[in-house]
Amino acid sequence: GDSVTQMEGPVTLSEEAFLTINCTYTATGYPSLFWYVQYPGEGLQLLLKATKADDKGSNKGFEATYRKETTSFHLEKGSVQVSDSAVYFCAQAHTGTASKLTFGTGTRLQVTL
Amino acid sequence: DVKVTQSSRYLVKRTGEKVFLECVQDMDHENMFWYRQDPGLGLRLIYFSYDVKMKEKGDIPEGYSVSREKKERFSLILESASTNQTSMYLCASSTIGRFSYEQYFGPGTRLTVT
Repeated sequence: GDSVTQMEGPVTLSEEAFLTINCTYTATGYPSLFWYVQYPGEGLQLLLKATKADDKGSNKGFEATYRKETTSFHLEKGSVQVSDSAVYFCAQAHTGTASKLTFGTGTRLQVTL
Repeated sequence: DVKVTQSSRYLVKRTGEKVFLECVQDMDHENMFWYRQDPGLGLRLIYFSYDVKMKEKGDIPEGYSVSREKKERFSLILESASTNQTSMYLCASSTIGRFSYEQYFGPGTRLTVT
């Protein structure tokens, strides 16, 4: 069945460091892929998306490229800020029911000064 | 501004109690979802509703039921709460069609069952 695997956290970085959070998916076909972010005390919100192979999603300085060869959708940011501290979830659209999402386990990012 | 609200941020209940978690969205969305969020397990779908009075089991429906009598409201019911249902519960909604993947989440209810 569908599944999403993302790197374990927490990830601790200094401000202005480069960020990579790995995500791989397992699905039949080519599902749409997403990154959601959960700031402390809040619900999740959509950060970026890619709906087909080789698409690059981007938002707020974050980027992720849909790689069908490696079934991956890694999240990157060139220079993180303290305000980026949050939990990041990789997700894929459910095969057969696009409204449903399968989420990864989440990766906590802590950025320090 | 789009909004999903949940009835409580924190809730403490005793084992065996019947528990109601309420969720309301103001976006006229067709789809609504209940998830539970646990450390190391991420978000797991409990139930999904795609229309009033319509529901579909998610990945972990055991011990839960749901009710959707009005489009804007989706309730999660724990018929007899148990300690293994201590968790963070998140409600979400989405529209249908090409943007159906964008789910809008409430802030969550942290439920403790003692």
